[in-house]
Amino acid sequence: GNSVTQMEGPVTLSEEAFLTINCTYTATGYPSLFWYVQYPGEGLQLLLKATKADDKGSNKGFEATYRKETTSFHLEKGSVQVSDSAVYFCALLHNAGNMLTFGGGTRLMVKP
Amino acid sequence: NAGVMQNPRHLVRRRGQEARLRCSPMKGHSHVYWYRQLPEEGLKFMVYLQKENIIDESGMPKERFSAEFPKEGPSILRIQQVVRGDSAAYFCASSPVSLGASYGYTFGSGTRLTVV
Repeated sequence: GNSVTQMEGPVTLSEEAFLTINCTYTATGYPSLFWYVQYPGEGLQLLLKATKADDKGSNKGFEATYRKETTSFHLEKGSVQVSDSAVYFCALLHNAGNMLTFGGGTRLMVKP
Repeated sequence: NAGVMQNPRHLVRRRGQEARLRCSPMKGHSHVYWYRQLPEEGLKFMVYLQKENIIDESGMPKERFSAEFPKEGPSILRIQQVVRGDSAAYFCASSPVSLGASYGYTFGSGTRLTVV
């Protein structure tokens, strides 16, 4: 079956540091890949997505590249801000299905 | 254009009571999905509905849980005889088409159920 594995948190960084949150997946065929962000007490917001191999999704300074050869979709940002503190979820959608499969989430804490 | 609306935001129920969670999809969206987030875990799929039809309920517990999306009104997730293990955040998402690969779904802010 489909599965998503994320690095465990919390990840604690100082402001302006470089961020990488690892995400790998297991799926047959060609799933679409997503990163969602959840701020405290709120729902999930779509951060970025990629629908085919080698696509790069980007938004608000975050980016992730769909790597089929390594089945990965790592999230990166060059310079994090305190306001980026949140929980980040990697997810996949199989092109033959209707449900998102989520990773366990990675909590990011950015200190001033 | 309002987003996905869920209510209530917070719900407290005693063991054995019923919980009703409501979800109004975005305007123009006819597909609704319910997910559950247990404390410190990711979201798990529960059920996928279209108007008056349950399309996929493979993630729903076999007992006490039911969902509907009537022709008129919001989608309802109903939990009968709640137990402490039902305490979680329940999120609803909607999409305009059945395959959200290029869309990514829009999530509501969730209902946080606490069973005491």
